[in-house]
Amino acid sequence: NAGVTQTPKFQVLKTGQSMTLQCAQDMNHNSMYWYRQDPGMGLRLIYYSASEGTTDKGEVPNGYNVSRLNKREFSLRLESAAPSQTSVYFCASIQGNRNQPQHFGDGTRLSIL
Amino acid sequence: AQSVTQPDIHITVSEGASLELRCNYSYGATPYLFWYVQSPGQGLQLLLKYFSGDTLVQGIKGFEAEFKRSQSSFNLRKPSVHWSDAAEYFCAVRNSGGGADGLTFGKGTHLIIQP
Repeated sequence: NAGVTQTPKFQVLKTGQSMTLQCAQDMNHNSMYWYRQDPGMGLRLIYYSASEGTTDKGEVPNGYNVSRLNKREFSLRLESAAPSQTSVYFCASIQGNRNQPQHFGDGTRLSIL
Repeated sequence: AQSVTQPDIHITVSEGASLELRCNYSYGATPYLFWYVQSPGQGLQLLLKYFSGDTLVQGIKGFEAEFKRSQSSFNLRKPSVHWSDAAEYFCAVRNSGGGADGLTFGKGTHLIIQP
């Protein structure tokens, strides 16, 4: 009963390195999301995918790219990491109806030096 | 665009005392509203949600919340807190119509429980 699985759980990068954060859900959900959480800021939406093959920008998309590889998987890529991208990243998914709650993964803690 | 305000950054409550965490939202139509809890180093767990019907909603762990349209509020309550309730609490709103999707979160309220 895995739900939403994020890998890796922790990562340290140097400025300018690239990295892909992986997210997979086993609930056959249509929509998937990437958020970042910073102290005192709550969670902010980076990108989302309403269905396989579609992606849309959220509130803070700059510096990120995403890929909805298939219905299960939604990856987040940092092409050239910057210290401002040090954060905790959460992936979430939902069946489709907007009145349903999102299911969250346990997060990826990313530090960029 | 919708927004959520949680006016209290920190709240300290004695164990066994009642709790109310405030949440105000800004959204043109009837929103979909959620409360999530986050323990240190963990992901987010849904406490309860509101999308229509009875304005008093019950959630897990003894929590409840009341939707008040006239005040644009969705405050979270618990009659008697336990030490295990110490955590970060987030109120969130989701667009109930078309257009951009995703949750908009408040900045969170950190709950401290005194023995």
